[in-house]
Amino acid sequence: DIQMTQSPSTLSASVGDRVTITCRASQSISSWLAWYQQKPGKAPKLLISKASSLESGVPSRFSGSGSGTEFTLTISSLQPDDFATYYCQQCNSYSITFGQGTRLEIK
Amino acid sequence: EVQLVESGGNLVQPGGSLRLSCAASGFTLSDHYMDWVRQAPGKGLEWVGRTRNKANSYTTEYAASVKGRFTISRDDSKNSLFLQMNSLKTEDTAVYHCARVGGGGGDSYAFDIWGQGTMVTVSS
Repeated sequence: DIQMTQSPSTLSASVGDRVTITCRASQSISSWLAWYQQKPGKAPKLLISKASSLESGVPSRFSGSGSGTEFTLTISSLQPDDFATYYCQQCNSYSITFGQGTRLEIK
Repeated sequence: EVQLVESGGNLVQPGGSLRLSCAASGFTLSDHYMDWVRQAPGKGLEWVGRTRNKANSYTTEYAASVKGRFTISRDDSKNSLFLQMNSLKTEDTAVYHCARVGGGGGDSYAFDIWGQGTMVTVSS
């Protein structure tokens, strides 16, 4: 199985900050990477697919980049609603794997 | 409105069985690959398995941790997805989500629609 490693595990930031979360794959997954946001007690929400394609309705402050084995999710200016846990997911094959998650908390 | 609603979660003893359901609305289930994803309390997301769409003969795939114990099926006429779980273990305790694979068919697409989940607790 392809292993996905996210960093950091926890990120403390303030409203207005620019933050970046990194996801590394154990082997090349081309651009078959998605990012999700999850809030406590809720289902994950798809933010970005195919590494950099922003889903409809997702604010433009979210962006994704990368290909192969290295990927990033960037939030350009944190808003109060953005404090949540973020997961990357590789979709390169049906044997899907997720990163362990990054908890974004208020500093 | 496009929606997935799970049901059937419960407390079950180790070695027991449980069947989860996922009711789809607002789209044609037969057009889509559908997956189950679980999340143990306080932990991350774990893929459980997949059923492909009608065009791909409803073939299934499973995570190694559940293969041989769990079975995914679907009834497109009722727009419903199922997860039959047998020989349950304490480590199967989790919220189980059904999720739609986007892209209209294909293994390499993200989950664009998720259900809210149903809780399965395996304990004596």
